[in-house]
Amino acid sequence: EAQVTQNPRYLITVTGKKLTVTCSQNMNHEYMSWYRQDPGLGLRQIYYSMNVEVTDKGDVPEGYKVSRKEKRNFPLILESPSPNQTSLYFCASSLGSSPYEQYFGPGTRLTVT
Amino acid sequence: GENVEQHPSTLSVQEGDSAVIKCTYSDSASNYFPWYKQELGKRPQLIIDIRSNVGEKKDQRIAVTLNKTAKHFSLHITETQPEDSAVYFCASRGLGSARQLTFGSGTQLTVLP
Repeated sequence: EAQVTQNPRYLITVTGKKLTVTCSQNMNHEYMSWYRQDPGLGLRQIYYSMNVEVTDKGDVPEGYKVSRKEKRNFPLILESPSPNQTSLYFCASSLGSSPYEQYFGPGTRLTVT
Repeated sequence: GENVEQHPSTLSVQEGDSAVIKCTYSDSASNYFPWYKQELGKRPQLIIDIRSNVGEKKDQRIAVTLNKTAKHFSLHITETQPEDSAVYFCASRGLGSARQLTFGSGTQLTVLP
């Protein structure tokens, strides 16, 4: 089954404790992206990757890192999480950048206390 | 960069009535406009999209119209049903280096039985 998976689905952590949210897709997609969703703000892009070893900042990259060592995986790293990073995070992949449909993962609900 | 405004933020309609959600964009070079539906607790999924060389596109009960001159596009849902209740996001593709999508802030549609 074609899918995008994320882990963990839910995470509660404390300020400053490094964490990684994994994202994997099995569709051989070149383009992958991370978004955060906050009430009233829609989906805002954090980072995206055009292909292996090619990443770039989206609209809200501060406090986040990513890597793309393999085509299928695109982890999101929070080196020192802060409460303002409490959010719902979605990973997405597509065949290429727009106008291809983006397939979203199930989401990761992160709470930083 | 691109800015997308979406209205209204909430919309309630009676079952069987029509619903219209409107979005405006700022980048006159934008050329791709998808709409995503997000049911409660689920991931966003593409429901319809339109490209700038087309003025209207229909798929059963949903349609999207585009006015390039005014830089706005709209989602129309006819004969609404309870399962149409969800958050709807519009998006626009600007002409940045990776042509990523910019999303609107979302519309919570509630279809009342």
